[in-house]
Amino acid sequence: EVQLVESGGGLIQPGGSLRLSCAASGFTVSGNYMSWVRQAPGKGLEWVSVIYSGGSSYYADSVKGRFTISRDNSKNTLYLQMNSLRAEDTAVYYCARANPLAYCFDYWGQGTLVTVSS
Amino acid sequence: SYVLTQPPSVSVAPGQTARITCGGNNIGSKSVHWYQQKPGQAPVLVVYDDTDRPSGIPERFSGSNSGNTATLTISRVEAGDEADYYCQVWDSSTDHWVFGGGTKLTVL
Repeated sequence: EVQLVESGGGLIQPGGSLRLSCAASGFTVSGNYMSWVRQAPGKGLEWVSVIYSGGSSYYADSVKGRFTISRDNSKNTLYLQMNSLRAEDTAVYYCARANPLAYCFDYWGQGTLVTVSS
Repeated sequence: SYVLTQPPSVSVAPGQTARITCGGNNIGSKSVHWYQQKPGQAPVLVVYDDTDRPSGIPERFSGSNSGNTATLTISRVEAGDEADYYCQVWDSSTDHWVFGGGTKLTVL
């Protein structure tokens, strides 16, 4: 059974850093396209980043240069390193697996809440 | 960057048909995917590649895509269908994944 479990969220001050983790089971992170999607309180879904099976990665303009997506194949875990956090980064962050043929998100975690506030 | 436009809300009576649109420049040339999100829950894929349904999704959910508009159609709407619905495409020119703003479906 495919499962994605995020962790690492919490309250952080503006300008601070946080690393989110997404532990996967039922498939290999390294062999799939993996993504982070976020949702600010009361708002819609916003794609954040993707890492392809080959290792290349892409970012939304809103986070480029501040966030870094990575994976640990030995732990079958996806990460999102978030630096220079701003109030507008406050959101629930979802980890999702992307279908490499359809380019849709076929499995999602339950999300982890990041609150950026002083 | 590519923009997807959805109506903020759609209302329908139980048993009727709901249609949720997703507008984009020549969206008919792209594959459109649809997600259902209920309060406090993660999104769930309900239609992919314009018209296909993942296993476990009722046949009442269907999709179409042509020209500048994609449509998610929910037939014989039930109270349990009340949720937010999002369309999504992959923009090959930027390698960015794009979501529409979402539509709140209210079952009257």
